[in-house]
Amino acid sequence: SQQGEEDPQALSIQEGENATMNCSYKTSINNLQWYRQNSGRGLVHLILIRSNEREKHSGRLRVTLDTSKKSSSLLITASRAADTASYFCATSGSNYKLTFGKGTLLTVNP
Amino acid sequence: DAGVTQSPTHLIKTRGQQVTLRCSPISGHKSVSWYQQVLGQGPQFIFQYYEKEERGRGNFPDRFSARQFPNYSSELNVNALLLGDSALYLCASSLPRTATYEQYFGPGTRLTVT
Repeated sequence: SQQGEEDPQALSIQEGENATMNCSYKTSINNLQWYRQNSGRGLVHLILIRSNEREKHSGRLRVTLDTSKKSSSLLITASRAADTASYFCATSGSNYKLTFGKGTLLTVNP
Repeated sequence: DAGVTQSPTHLIKTRGQQVTLRCSPISGHKSVSWYQQVLGQGPQFIFQYYEKEERGRGNFPDRFSARQFPNYSSELNVNALLLGDSALYLCASSLPRTATYEQYFGPGTRLTVT
């Protein structure tokens, strides 16, 4: 079963604009991770935020985590056509597995 | 350094057949996990192996099995294939046993069951 739910399911923006994706989850977590997937191929790890962190940056990426609301957001600034992909949040609890949401399909138009 | 590799890339099987998928982790990684991704959905956890022992299993029937070899490579076996087994099968490796750190995914094996 899916733990997280990304919102929106699909997002279409112009190059240079910012893209914001949200993720909600149901149970307590140790950390939350964001992954990118191009054209149904392997996933690429983007960023990990631990449950005791509220915000994290990596290049053009900014992730926030609100454990009281069980939600996270991923912001991609100054988007590029190459950012076109599906983005997934994945939660990790006290066990061994990642639980993924259904993903957000981001399309960046040139 | 080579990333996670999987073989084959694509596979077409008939209902009732058996299939074996293979995964080689990043050098030095001792943990391998398998995920199934049905079209339009996020990946679903199937198995995790660490130091050649099964450490976790997702909600999949006994038709699914896996093993890890002394060199930490892994195989996923699916028996009595069903149409619903058609999916992208992803292998991921990581350093520690838990998912606390990021997992490195391979390109996947696309399985089509007809």
